[in-house]
Amino acid sequence: DIQMTQSPSSLSASVGDRVTITCRASQSISSYLNWYQQKPGKAPKLLIYVASSLQSGVPSRFSGSGSGTDFTLTISSLQPEDFATYYCQQSYSIPWTFGQGTKVEIK
Amino acid sequence: QLQLQESGPGLVKPSETLSLTCTVSGGSISRSSYYWGWIRQAPGKGLEWIGHIFYTGTTYYNPSLKSRVTISVDTSKNQFSLNLSSVTAADTAVYYCARLPPHADSSAYYYAFDIWGQGTMVTVSS
Repeated sequence: DIQMTQSPSSLSASVGDRVTITCRASQSISSYLNWYQQKPGKAPKLLIYVASSLQSGVPSRFSGSGSGTDFTLTISSLQPEDFATYYCQQSYSIPWTFGQGTKVEIK
Repeated sequence: QLQLQESGPGLVKPSETLSLTCTVSGGSISRSSYYWGWIRQAPGKGLEWIGHIFYTGTTYYNPSLKSRVTISVDTSKNQFSLNLSSVTAADTAVYYCARLPPHADSSAYYYAFDIWGQGTMVTVSS
């Protein structure tokens, strides 16, 4: 199985901060990498697919980059509604796997 | 606007079979090239992919669950279903259904869960 490791596991940030979350795959997954946002009690929401493509309706302050084993999700200017848990997910090989999540909290 | 809704028992006894249905509204489950999937999340834990199905019946399962899981589709009802047998307390989770549209470039198809149901909590307990 491909292991997806996110860092950090949690972070505290202020509104307006630039936030970067990293996701590392245990082997190359090309660009088969998606990012999701989940708020408490809610279903995950797709933010980024194919490593860097912004899902329709998602604000442009979210961006993704990377290929191979190292990927990044960046929020350029953190907004109050962005406090949530973020997951990366690989769809390169079965079983599809998720990172453990990164919780973004208010500083 | 496409919507997905999970339904099924919220309580299942150990060793029995968990059965959930996802009803798709606002669009056809038979739409070409779309897969339909199940994902679960144990309380306070991360996300786990269970499997997905094409409207023709082609399935892909998580090997860790493969001996116990069956995903099926009923195009006449615009539904797909999850059966998980021999459940234990470890199967207690919120179960989500979701859509998998393809994203194509010149050499490959890529998939991501873009529309999710609200999720349904299933507790395994006697």
